[in-house]
Amino acid sequence: DIVMTQSPDSLAVSLGERATINCKSSQSVLYTSNKKNYLAWYQQKPGQPPKLLIYWASTRESGVPDRFSGSGSGTDFTLTISSLQAEDVAVYYCQQYYNTPLTFGGGTKVEIK
Amino acid sequence: QLQLQESGPGLVKSSETLSLTCTVSGGSITSGSYYWGWVRQPPGKGLEWIGIIHDTGRTSYKPSLKSRLTISVDTSKNQFSLKLSSVTAADTAVYYCARHSGIGGTTTGWFDPWGQGTLVTVSS
Repeated sequence: DIVMTQSPDSLAVSLGERATINCKSSQSVLYTSNKKNYLAWYQQKPGQPPKLLIYWASTRESGVPDRFSGSGSGTDFTLTISSLQAEDVAVYYCQQYYNTPLTFGGGTKVEIK
Repeated sequence: QLQLQESGPGLVKSSETLSLTCTVSGGSITSGSYYWGWVRQPPGKGLEWIGIIHDTGRTSYKPSLKSRLTISVDTSKNQFSLKLSSVTAADTAVYYCARHSGIGGTTTGWFDPWGQGTLVTVSS
């Protein structure tokens, strides 16, 4: 199984400041034939289901604000919130879909400082 | 827009079978390359993939659950279902159903959208 490790477990950021979440996979999720990274990011607010933010490591889902961006390749990935808003308080998860079993990171809780 | 809704008992006795159904509305479950899946989340913990099914009946299960798991689809009702047998307290979780992107008709992909989830508690 591909193990997904997120860091930090939690972070507190001031409104308007940048939040950076890291996700590391135990093996590369870059498919060399199409040069795509098989990684997605989700946002889960309290009491709600996860919401897809990003797929292919850096493609924003329709309707997702452009302050959310994904980067990285191979085994190391980052989700960046460029200017934290109050509504961004949530737990964020990465997920690899390079192969089954599909696996998620443990989550990173983002709070307001 | 596409919506998914989980239904089923919220309390299951230990050693019995957990059964949930996901009803899809706003679109057809027989829509090409998509799969339909289940993900669970123990209280206060992270997300765990359970398995997925295509409308053709093709499935992919988490290996550690495979011996206890059955996912099926009823295209006439636009529903898919999960059965997990011999449950224990470790199976207590919020169970989500979701559409799986099924990239190129394969079992790889992301989940979007998700149902609201239903809490299933296993009691002794």
